[in-house]
Amino acid sequence: QQQVKQSPQSLIVQKGGISIINCAYENTAFDYFPWYQQFPGKGPALLIAIRPDVSEKKEGRFTISFNKSAKQFSLHIMDSQPGDSATYFCAARAGSRLTFGEGTQLTVNP
Amino acid sequence: GAVVSQHPSRVICKSGTSVKIECRSLDFQATTMFWYRQFPKQSLMLMATSNEGSKATYEQGVEKDKFLINHASLTLSTLTVTSAHPEDSSFYICSAQPQSGAGGRDTQYFGPGTRLTVL
Repeated sequence: QQQVKQSPQSLIVQKGGISIINCAYENTAFDYFPWYQQFPGKGPALLIAIRPDVSEKKEGRFTISFNKSAKQFSLHIMDSQPGDSATYFCAARAGSRLTFGEGTQLTVNP
Repeated sequence: GAVVSQHPSRVICKSGTSVKIECRSLDFQATTMFWYRQFPKQSLMLMATSNEGSKATYEQGVEKDKFLINHASLTLSTLTVTSAHPEDSSFYICSAQPQSGAGGRDTQYFGPGTRLTVL
C-alpha cells in the first residue's frame, strides 16, 4: 500500500516535444506529491509538487496533473530540451515519510 | 534557496572499517533529517528518519547497529556505517526538512550524495 508505481521506465523525446511521466498510488494517506529531477552522481532536486486538493499545477515548462479519484498523477515537460535529460522520480508523502517511484530515465535528443 | 551539503562526496574504504558521513543544512534549521540509500539505476530507499535530540527511527530491514545515526543539532546529522562490507557500497543521500519557512514542512531538500565504495 506504500508503493508508488511509475511509468515508463525510460523515455526518449525529440527536442521541443512533450515528455509525460505517470505515477499511481494506493495509499489514501498520501497528502503531498513532489517530483524530483536527478542527474548522474547528484542528489535529487525538487522540481514541482502538488497537494491532492488541486487538479493541476504549472511552473514554467513543468506541469503536474492530479487525478484524485483515479489515484494517479503525472508530470508533463513542455518544449523538452537536451538539458532536461535526467532521471525523474515521483514521490508521495504520508506523515513526514516520502515514498519514491521507480524512476524514469528521460533522454531528449537534439 | 535551501542548501544541504554532504561530506565526503566520495569515500573508498577497506572491508571492516567504519565510515562517517556528515549531512548539514547550511541556511536553515532542520528538525528532521532523512537518510536514503540508492543503488545504481534504482530508486531512493529510505533508511531512517532522525529528529534532533532523539533516537533515529529505522525502516524495516535496516540494521540500526550497522548504520548509526546521530542528529546532534538542528543543522547536522551523521551516518556511520560500521564494519563496512562490499555489499554496503552504495550512494547515500541525506535530506533535511526545514523547521519553518523555506517551503515549511512540505519540502525535503536533498544533499548531493556520498558514494561509498567498500573494497
